[in-house]
Amino acid sequence: EAGVTQSPTHLIKTRGQQATLRCSPISGHTSVYWYQQALGLGLQFLLWYDEGEERNRGNFPPRFSGRQFPNYSSELNVNALELEDSALYLCASSFEGYGANVLTFGAGSRLTVL
Amino acid sequence: DAKTTQPPSMDCAEGRAANLPCNHSTISGNEYVYWYRQIHSQGPQYIIHGLKNNETNEMASLIITEDRKSSTLILPHATLRDTAVYYCIVDPLGSQGNLIFGKGTKLSVKP
Repeated sequence: EAGVTQSPTHLIKTRGQQATLRCSPISGHTSVYWYQQALGLGLQFLLWYDEGEERNRGNFPPRFSGRQFPNYSSELNVNALELEDSALYLCASSFEGYGANVLTFGAGSRLTVL
Repeated sequence: DAKTTQPPSMDCAEGRAANLPCNHSTISGNEYVYWYRQIHSQGPQYIIHGLKNNETNEMASLIITEDRKSSTLILPHATLRDTAVYYCIVDPLGSQGNLIFGKGTKLSVKP
């Protein structure tokens, strides 16, 4: 069974540009979560999608957005990139949806903003 | 802020049991204890979770004290591949994905 897959593995952008990160959940999982892990900081919750709807959002500005597609895959968009957006972006999926804290994470997409 | 307190680092000899403590003195009755680990530069990996009873799976055992104010994750026979940052998280069901990972314990398994 394929795990959570994320693309691209690495992405280099310059300040002010937009970045798009993609995530494919485990087959059968309907919930997708996005976390940010900046250097020296812990994992910070960004977004939770379930059944195509945004269910919860962390303390991040509106330039962080995303969506979930009918096949449950998801993308995270970061607009107007800033240097501090450089981080490992992790996607996770779960089966239970509401109340599920057993998450399967992907390997992450490392975004570097120059 | 994390609701848990963990030692920043621990060492363990290969083949010995690794016992990782976690203090969660303000845990609520509906909050579970979850353990995840993150091997360098990889995504976190779920290990185990429990509410009040001790739990065991193929990876580890979770011992929760009777008053639920602390717990211990036990890796029965640590290997070099168990070297990772271990996160103890308390959260209720229905938390809507916002797990607070904290700083965790860096476990170094040495030959």
